[in-house]
Amino acid sequence: AAGVIQSPRHLIKEKRETATLKCYPIPRHDTVYWYQQGPGQDPQFLISFYEKMQSDKGSIPDRFSAQQFSDYHSELNMSSLELGDSALYFCASSLFVGGHRGTEAFFGQGTRLTVV
Amino acid sequence: AQSVTQLGSHVSVSEGALVLLRCNYSSSVPPYLFWYVQYPNQGLQLLLKYTTGATLVKGINGFEAEFKKSETSFHLTKPSAHMSDAAEYFCAVTLTGGGNKLTFGTGTQLKVEL
Repeated sequence: AAGVIQSPRHLIKEKRETATLKCYPIPRHDTVYWYQQGPGQDPQFLISFYEKMQSDKGSIPDRFSAQQFSDYHSELNMSSLELGDSALYFCASSLFVGGHRGTEAFFGQGTRLTVV
Repeated sequence: AQSVTQLGSHVSVSEGALVLLRCNYSSSVPPYLFWYVQYPNQGLQLLLKYTTGATLVKGINGFEAEFKKSETSFHLTKPSAHMSDAAEYFCAVTLTGGGNKLTFGTGTQLKVEL
């Protein structure tokens, strides 16, 4: 079965550079979530989109932005990178069913961002 | 607001022994509860979930969890640990009817010894 695809899997950037992470949800899933997991930390919710509109926002820095495109893939754009942005970034997707969002989010393998 | 607390950041068991990973939740409305497993440098894989109905939930790899409202708990168990169970386990909660945003616990690293 198709899963959530994230690219790239690994990314190394220098401080103050920009990075773009991509997420391709499971086909027909309409909701995408982004999470950040720092070293030894639990995943922290950043932002989510439903039908190309932002649906919820968590602890996402102002330097970060994201969007969901017409084909439902999503991109997380990170600017002015800092050393503390080094983390594993997960994307997850789910399906809005029967008037409420599906009860299960499926996670991608993550993008490991290293800022040097 | 919802939250989960995982007791014990590290748990060590012998192969073949009972696995018990503890999770307590806090939620003002009926929660959906999840257990995820994460292997090194891997994504999060869903083990099991509780939404409504039966409070004893069976998941993959022989794991199960019981939702106990009176104790606000959702502990994860497995009767007999296997070496391949060594991983990090996260309990997570989201609100019914909410946006499915998951709030994770701080994780429990399970070590399985021979």
